[in-house]
Amino acid sequence: GAGVSQSPRYKVAKRGQDVALRCDPISGHVSLFWYQQALGQGPEFLTYFQNEAQLDKSGLPSDRFFAERPEGSVSTLKIQRTQQEDSAVYLCASSRRGSGGPNNEQFFGPGTRLTVL
Amino acid sequence: KQEVTQIPAALSVPEGENLVLNCSFTDSAIYNLQWFRQDPGKGLTSLLLIQSSQREQTSGRLNASLDKSSGRSTLYIAASQPGDSATYLCAVRRSMYSGGGADGLTFGKGTHLIIQP
Repeated sequence: GAGVSQSPRYKVAKRGQDVALRCDPISGHVSLFWYQQALGQGPEFLTYFQNEAQLDKSGLPSDRFFAERPEGSVSTLKIQRTQQEDSAVYLCASSRRGSGGPNNEQFFGPGTRLTVL
Repeated sequence: KQEVTQIPAALSVPEGENLVLNCSFTDSAIYNLQWFRQDPGKGLTSLLLIQSSQREQTSGRLNASLDKSSGRSTLYIAASQPGDSATYLCAVRRSMYSGGGADGLTFGKGTHLIIQP
C-alpha cells in the first residue's frame, strides 16, 4: 500500500481481556516501530524490529506486552490481561533502512485507539 | 535518559503571522531530529528531518533549524494559515554510537497550534 496501515482503528476491551493490534508497514521497509501515545502526551517508544528480528524491546512497559513480526513484514502487538492504564493510541511506524541508516525517516500509521473499561 | 521539551505547550495566533516553535533536548548525542504534525485522531505526518551534521532544512513555508551543541531546534512557520492548525511534535533519534542500537525516537509532548481565521 501507499502508507502504513493499522487495524483496528478503535478497540474497546474489558479489563482482563487480551487484545491484538495489527500493523502493515510500507512494502519493503526494513524497520518497524511501535509507540504508545497517552492522551495529551507525545508518543513513547515501545519496541523495534529490523526485518523479523526484534532488536529492542526496552520500551515495553510490562511482560503483558508482546510484539512479533514473524515474516519481516506485518507486525502484531499483543497485550494480555489489559488494564485501564493501557488505554492509549498505539502507533506503528516503518522506515526504509535498518538501524543506523542515514536519512532514515519514519513514516507513521493512523494508530489504534485502545480503550480499556 | 534523553528528554525532549517543547515550548510553548499551546499557541493561538491570527492568520498570516510568522511563528516559531521551540524544541530542546538534554542529550546532544543525536543522529537526527524530526518535526511532525499530528491532526486530531490521526497519525503523525513527517514535516522535516534534520541530520545531526546539518544546520537547517526547508520545505515550503516551513524552516527547521538545529543547534546540536546547545540541544535546541526551532520550527519556523511563515505566513500561517488556518490549515496549519495541529499539534507539532519534535522527536530525536539517538546516535548509533550511544549504545542500544535501536532507532526509536524520543518525542516531546508537542505544541498545540491554533491559527485563527
